[in-house]
Amino acid sequence: QLQLQESGPGLVKPSETLSLTCTVSGGSISSTSYYWGWIRQPPGKGLEWIGSIYYSGTTNYNPSLTSRVTIYLDTSKNQLSLKLSSVTAADTAVYYCARHAEMAKGYYYYYGMDVWGQGTTVTVSS
Amino acid sequence: DIQMTQSPSSLSASVGDRVTITCRASQSISNYLNWYQQKPGKAPKLLIYAASSLQSGVPSRFSGSGSGTDFTLTISSLQPEDFATYYCQQSYNTPPWMFGQGTKVEIK
Repeated sequence: QLQLQESGPGLVKPSETLSLTCTVSGGSISSTSYYWGWIRQPPGKGLEWIGSIYYSGTTNYNPSLTSRVTIYLDTSKNQLSLKLSSVTAADTAVYYCARHAEMAKGYYYYYGMDVWGQGTTVTVSS
Repeated sequence: DIQMTQSPSSLSASVGDRVTITCRASQSISNYLNWYQQKPGKAPKLLIYAASSLQSGVPSRFSGSGSGTDFTLTISSLQPEDFATYYCQQSYNTPPWMFGQGTKVEIK
């Protein structure tokens, strides 16, 4: 059974870089046709898609964050990583990693986030 | 980029009620639309993909419909465990795959 576990500092100072890791167990992060992604949720607010990476390494980022975000895969450790630079209090949130699986319906395929980590809380404060 | 708008932002309903949530895309996304359920303090859970296909293990009282720009999530008979926040998300083409702002279903 696939499991995802986020880890990283719970407190980051303003202007610094937030770094999180998502460790994948019960499956390979190199499996074909999957995307892996990061989603965050500020306190009391909705879900915000941060970005996703295809198993091949191709990345896509939220246009509002693209200048500050990097997502990459470490296949040797079976991990997904997130770096968000120049953080402010607005980046305080619960950060989730999730697998995007390809699901068939008829002749077509659709992506959905079918497995999620439990989330990790990151607070940006001096 | 494709933006998603949900309505209402919240609703109050009783156990046994039929509940409908609407999601609208800023441009046509065919049927590339997912629905998620999130309970407080928990990660979201995929309910429906491809606008109307039920994810494995999801109760049949949940259903989805729509195509193009307008979509609905319906709960046919609301159960106590269904009180949660529901999000739509488009998965059209390649990312970015944005979420709607969410609809909170509360107990009346």
